[in-house]
Amino acid sequence: GAVVSQHPSWVICKSGTSVKIECRSLDFQATTMFWYRQFPKQSLMLMATSNEGSKATYEQGVEKDKFLINHASLTLSTLTVTSAHPEDSSFYICSAGNMGANEKLFFGSGTQLSVL
Amino acid sequence: QKEVEQDPGPLSVPEGAIVSLNCTYSNSAFQYFMWYRQYSRKGPELLMYTYSSGNKEDGRFTAQVDKSSKYISLFIRDSQPSDSATYLCAMRGFQKLVFGTGTRLLVSP
Repeated sequence: GAVVSQHPSWVICKSGTSVKIECRSLDFQATTMFWYRQFPKQSLMLMATSNEGSKATYEQGVEKDKFLINHASLTLSTLTVTSAHPEDSSFYICSAGNMGANEKLFFGSGTQLSVL
Repeated sequence: QKEVEQDPGPLSVPEGAIVSLNCTYSNSAFQYFMWYRQYSRKGPELLMYTYSSGNKEDGRFTAQVDKSSKYISLFIRDSQPSDSATYLCAMRGFQKLVFGTGTRLLVSP
């Protein structure tokens, strides 16, 4: 399957700082990337849909000013958690695909964020 | 009612057993059905991708879709300890992917 690279795999930061997570599609061009959040023993919760060259679409309840998403090219999307707080500690996962109706999605390896 | 229902488990089986994992759904617009495997603190890995009703086999894995019953299954033959993971079903029509909660599978040697 296609390769989606996500970095960093884990990050620890102090409360109030910002953290940037990168998601890259290595062997295909991704017109659409998705950002998910996952709490322990729970399923993936879609945060936002990112289309190359346009503003991200956020799911209800997700603060767009807190979770900044940029999809500047067909191979890179970034999620920046601004002014992080302990409640933002979670596992963040990106996925990428070309959103024709029958396209598959491939996931990055995830980023564990711990905010102290 | 959730769009996709999946028993969280855990499901414990001995090595070599046949494993059956299932999901039910309520949205008749779903046409594409997937099974992902997720190891702890890793991203989901696509295992099976099917369209419409029927069976699809890939090695020890068989995916089954019954659209009339809104029911999908994943069968794992000759299960191995390395199969121990959380298995997520996922499905969509033309919009966003909807995941089940995942079933945790434990295969003991």
